[in-house]
Order: sequence, then C-alpha cells, then structure tokens
Amino acid sequence: KQEVTQIPAALSVPEGENLVLNCSFTDSAIYNLQWFRQDPGKGLTSLLLIQSSQREQTSGRLNASLDKSSGRSTLYIAASQPGDSATYLCALDSNYQLIWGAGTKLIIKP
Amino acid sequence: DGGITQSPKYLFRKEGQNVTLSCEQNLNHDAMYWYRQDPGQGLRLIYYSQIVNDFQKGDIAEGYSVSREKKESFPLTVTSAQKNPTAFYLCASSMGQGPYEQYFGPGTRLTVT
Repeated sequence: KQEVTQIPAALSVPEGENLVLNCSFTDSAIYNLQWFRQDPGKGLTSLLLIQSSQREQTSGRLNASLDKSSGRSTLYIAASQPGDSATYLCALDSNYQLIWGAGTKLIIKP
Repeated sequence: DGGITQSPKYLFRKEGQNVTLSCEQNLNHDAMYWYRQDPGQGLRLIYYSQIVNDFQKGDIAEGYSVSREKKESFPLTVTSAQKNPTAFYLCASSMGQGPYEQYFGPGTRLTVT
C-alpha cells in the first residue's frame, strides 16, 4: 500500500533563506506527484505537478524534483519570504487516486 | 471567473442531524471529489465521481452520501451515522479520473456538538 511521508511536520526559518521540503513514498509506481500550498483555514492551491516521466518542474522561486527510484520528491523554495508561510502538502497520483502526505507547516520569520 | 465554490464556509450542527455541504464548479470538469482533513493528517478521500449519475466510495465513505445529478454539482451529506463528523471538508475537481491536476474549493469547516 502506498504511503506518503513528509518530514519535518513543521519548519521555521529566517526570511531570505533557501529551503527544502521533503516528501517520501513507498511505491515508485506513480502517475504524477503534486505539491500544494494551504493557508490556514483555506483550500489548497496547486503549486507544481511533476509527471512520472519528468525529473523536475519549476515555477518562479519554486523547484520540485522527483526521484522515483529513491521514493523521494523535494520542493525547493529560493529566497524565502514571510508570504511563503503556509502548510505544504505533497500528493501522489497512484492508480488515479491521490495519496496524501500530512504536510509540512512552514513559518518564515521576518 | 472559473473555479470551485463551497458553501457554507462554517457549519454548526447538533449531533444526530444530517447536514449537506455544497460544492459547485464551473470548470467543465468531469470528475469531482470530496476529501476530509483532520489536524496532523493527510487528506482522506470520501467519495468521487467520474461522470454525472455515477460515483464511487473512497477510503472513508461510511456515514456519508453523495449525489451527482448535474455535472457542475456534487453535494455531500454527512449523516448521523458518521461517528466523528467534525472536520474540514474539501471538494475538488479535475478534467477526468486520470493523471490530471486537481483543483480545490475553499473548504467547509463542520462542527458537530
């Protein structure tokens, strides 16, 4: 059974730092992987989607990588800003259903 | 302005009452989904629908019911049989059931006392 883990559960860094969020999974048979952002009490905003055949995707200051052989994806945030504070979730499309990690709560300190 | 709407944002009910959460989309998406989110846990799939008049149970369907009479609408009823209904409920849609990006509504926070 596919399991998705996000460690750490929470992360606090000073503004301006580059940072990496991690997502690990147990079964490499996936269709794609998505990273989402969730602000407190709000819905989810899709940040990046990496297809199974891709290694990475970039959008602005965000870069997501996918390594199926090691069961890992990372979300790299460059030059972090207080507005980046949110919970970041990864989700795998495995057999056409999304399997979710519990998220990493990110706090960027001004 | 395309998107997914959920109403209400906050909902309060007494134990033993059924309650229906609304989800509407104008993205012309075929597939729609209902998730439940609890603190410290990943989202869990309640029900999904690939096409009008058809829906499938997800991982935690017990105590919930849905209908899909129109492409745009996928309401979720939380019945009195749901043992622990207090949670944040999220609706999503995608072009179809497949490796397509899912788009989410703003969510409904249900509190049952």
